[in-house]
Amino acid sequence: DAGITQSPRYKITETGRQVTLMCHQTWSHSYMFWYRQDLGHGLRLIYYSAAADITDKGEVPDGYVVSRSKTENFPLTLESATRSQTSVYFCASSESLGTANTGELFFGEGSRLTVL
Amino acid sequence: KQEVTQIPAALSVPEGENLVLNCSFTDSAIYNLQWFRQDPGKGLTSLLLIQSSQREQTSGRLNASLDKSSGRSTLYIAASQPGDSATYLCAATAILNQAGTALIFGKGTTLSVSS
Repeated sequence: DAGITQSPRYKITETGRQVTLMCHQTWSHSYMFWYRQDLGHGLRLIYYSAAADITDKGEVPDGYVVSRSKTENFPLTLESATRSQTSVYFCASSESLGTANTGELFFGEGSRLTVL
Repeated sequence: KQEVTQIPAALSVPEGENLVLNCSFTDSAIYNLQWFRQDPGKGLTSLLLIQSSQREQTSGRLNASLDKSSGRSTLYIAASQPGDSATYLCAATAILNQAGTALIFGKGTTLSVSS
């Protein structure tokens, strides 16, 4: 099906373990984003990517790593999970952003991560 | 640095009322502003997108306005219904590192419409 999908939808892990959250979009959008959503903080940008092999830090990048070898995939890795990374993670994509004709931002359903 | 604020944080109204949600942003050099809806435990659904050259957008009972010079946007919901109960988020574009662009979000307004 067309759209943006995240996996896993729910994940429980332990402190210190590596976790990878997957994001796949079928629109061939250039831009992809990872946000985390926490009570009291709202949605905060972790990393974003303007195209394959082009990524950059957002507001809260510490403790996270991203890669984008293919346009359609944008995985987010927590190299050594901490309890403060317990959150709901949202992936998003956009056809264009930062130009005169910017596109809408489309979100996945979210991945709920609990770090014990 | 772009910061987005939404007021009020929560709002309760009876069915049928018209209401306005407010959004303000600190950097007026935006490319666009978007309003989203989020239901509990769900992802975000785009409601309206206003380009920087536009003043407003309408979709059904929703109307969003944009005033770049004052750094404000409003979402007007006409004849509210219980199904409108959700959290509404406003997001404005921000220039990030080395001309990268992303949307920065407010914390949202949680709307409850009673029947």
